[in-house]
Amino acid sequence: QKEVEQNSGPLSVPEGAIASLNCTYSDRGSQSFFWYRQYSGKSPELIMSIYSNGDKEDGRFTAQLNKASQYVSLLIRDSQPSDSATYLCASRSYNQGGKLIFGQGTELSVKP
Amino acid sequence: DAGVIQSPRHEVTEMGQEVTLRCKPISGHDYLFWYRQTMMRGLELLIYFNNNVPIDDSGMPEDRFSAKMPNASFSTLKIQPSEPRDSAVYFCASSSGLAGVYNEQFFGPGTRLTVL
Repeated sequence: QKEVEQNSGPLSVPEGAIASLNCTYSDRGSQSFFWYRQYSGKSPELIMSIYSNGDKEDGRFTAQLNKASQYVSLLIRDSQPSDSATYLCASRSYNQGGKLIFGQGTELSVKP
Repeated sequence: DAGVIQSPRHEVTEMGQEVTLRCKPISGHDYLFWYRQTMMRGLELLIYFNNNVPIDDSGMPEDRFSAKMPNASFSTLKIQPSEPRDSAVYFCASSSGLAGVYNEQFFGPGTRLTVL
């Protein structure tokens, strides 16, 4: 079992819809979680971080964390074609010395 | 302030040759990370440094790979000898540890390595 798992996609949604990206993790010692966006041929860039159970909103993005279920999600409201990218989920744990463990990424395609 | 700088951006070499990738972290950052990204394996951490000291190199695939950080503003990742399976994009990232463990890692543009 991979430490951080994501559906590879591609996930295709129409413009204006809500895109829902999911991630599960196996290390119960994980304390913080990150969503990175990576455009094709570019480097990952951080878009959201979440440390506590519940929701965290930032503009069109909402990160959700459920530590009991070991589940993290990212919702993108009013999806735009410019949101088309690969979204990487990452966890961080003191058990792992604080390093980030990345999932394989989910490719999102937003169709005009 | 400039972001993380990596060189070269592209490298094509032949099997058996030595390859050296370079990274300049963001000024003031005390953590430096080397990652490798492939379609098959995704983004993998190879090694990371704190205050120029290697902390965890468990991701380094084998003895052909080595990394150094002689000072706070420069790090190298060397592959000797290179093999076709080393073909990947290599990213360097840096972060500041001053505020604890929840710090954003800033990635460089990457080096696309092709070993023929």
